[in-house]
Amino acid sequence: QKEVEQDPGPLSVPEGAIVSLNCTYSNSAFQYFMWYRQYSRKGPELLMYTYSSGNKEDGRFTAQVDKSSKYISLFIRDSQPSDSATYLCAMTNQAGTALIFGKGTTLSVSS
Amino acid sequence: GAVVSQHPSRVICKSGTSVKIECRSLDFQATTMFWYRQFPKQSLMLMATSNEGSKATYEQGVEKDKFLINHASLTLSTLTVTSAHPEDSSFYICSASITDTQYFGPGTRLTVL
Repeated sequence: QKEVEQDPGPLSVPEGAIVSLNCTYSNSAFQYFMWYRQYSRKGPELLMYTYSSGNKEDGRFTAQVDKSSKYISLFIRDSQPSDSATYLCAMTNQAGTALIFGKGTTLSVSS
Repeated sequence: GAVVSQHPSRVICKSGTSVKIECRSLDFQATTMFWYRQFPKQSLMLMATSNEGSKATYEQGVEKDKFLINHASLTLSTLTVTSAHPEDSSFYICSASITDTQYFGPGTRLTVL
């Protein structure tokens, strides 16, 4: 079993839809959870960061962490064509250490 | 957010030559930087952890004599691919750690002919 599992998709939605992206993990020691957005041939861009369990909201994006289920989610409201990208979940057990990444989910939002 | 730059963004070289990639944190100091490699449609794979003023820590399976890492200052880490071969062609991305998050550079696409 891989440490972090993420469905690679692709996921196709119409503009304005609510998108749900998810990752599961096996290491209960993970405490720092991040979501990155990566456009083709570019470096990952930090979208959301959450420490331990709970929800965090930033504009159209909401990140949720459920440590009891070892499950994290990213919700995108009112999705836009510019949201079309690969979304990577990442996590680690200690601040400042290397991140463990999921495979990434490719999202396509059509206008 | 914090800004990390990489140079060059793209490089094409002949087999057997060496290539140096620079990673800079522009508006913060980073005691730790990371080097990742990404193949098409794959996730990021950690190659090594670079600590300022000390030797890099390499992941299992990464040849440290082939991928030389130097972290000479708190804002600069370099990755040198020595005696490059076509199988080294890939997208190389660095990241810098600040408090409990990481910021990534834009990546360097290496093509070895």
